[in-house]
Amino acid sequence: EAGVTQFPSHSVIEKGQTVTLRCDPISGHDNLYWYRRVMGKEIKFLLHFVKESKQDESGMPNNRFLAERTGGTYSTLKVQPAELEDSGVYFCASSQSDEAFFGQGTRLTVV
Amino acid sequence: AQTVTQSQPEMSVQEAETVTLSCTYDTSENNYYLFWYKQPPSRQMILVIRQEAYKQQNATENRFSVNFQKAAKSFSLKISDSQLGDTAMYFCAFMSLSGANSKLTFGKGITLSVRP
Repeated sequence: EAGVTQFPSHSVIEKGQTVTLRCDPISGHDNLYWYRRVMGKEIKFLLHFVKESKQDESGMPNNRFLAERTGGTYSTLKVQPAELEDSGVYFCASSQSDEAFFGQGTRLTVV
Repeated sequence: AQTVTQSQPEMSVQEAETVTLSCTYDTSENNYYLFWYKQPPSRQMILVIRQEAYKQQNATENRFSVNFQKAAKSFSLKISDSQLGDTAMYFCAFMSLSGANSKLTFGKGITLSVRP
């Protein structure tokens, strides 16, 4: 069975540009989470989907971040326009119960 | 709000020896899970071990065991007979069982190096 997959694995963009990260959860998992780790700091929660609905988006830093999960399958996280402080590793996780399965993450560098 | 603290940024251990990774947390809740996740270099984060707060018995998974001290809000991970493949970043995490949100709150992580 395929695990959680994330695309791209790395992305380098210039300040002001737009980037879209994608997460494919494990098939059948209703819960999908986005997390972010800024260098040297904790992994921080961004938001939680249950199927296609946003259960909790309290961790989203600002309105430059837009997450979607159309049809309750894969999810995208768009950053527009990107700022330098958005650099970090973005993790996606999915779960059906209390164990979360993580993707490899997308390393985003904004220059 | 919950917080998770991992005060050691890195540790090193000789292969076949035992190492303990520390974690403390703060919460006002009574029902929760605690986790240790492992992220090997350039690989996915995977669950190592899980502890339900209502269970007094410490969780054990093969060479991995925890020392869960609920009153002290401490949750350390012991790795016995360390292997080279244990080299990774280890994250301690908390999940509340109150409400519908099952998000994880993480510590900063600790980098563990196993020396041959």
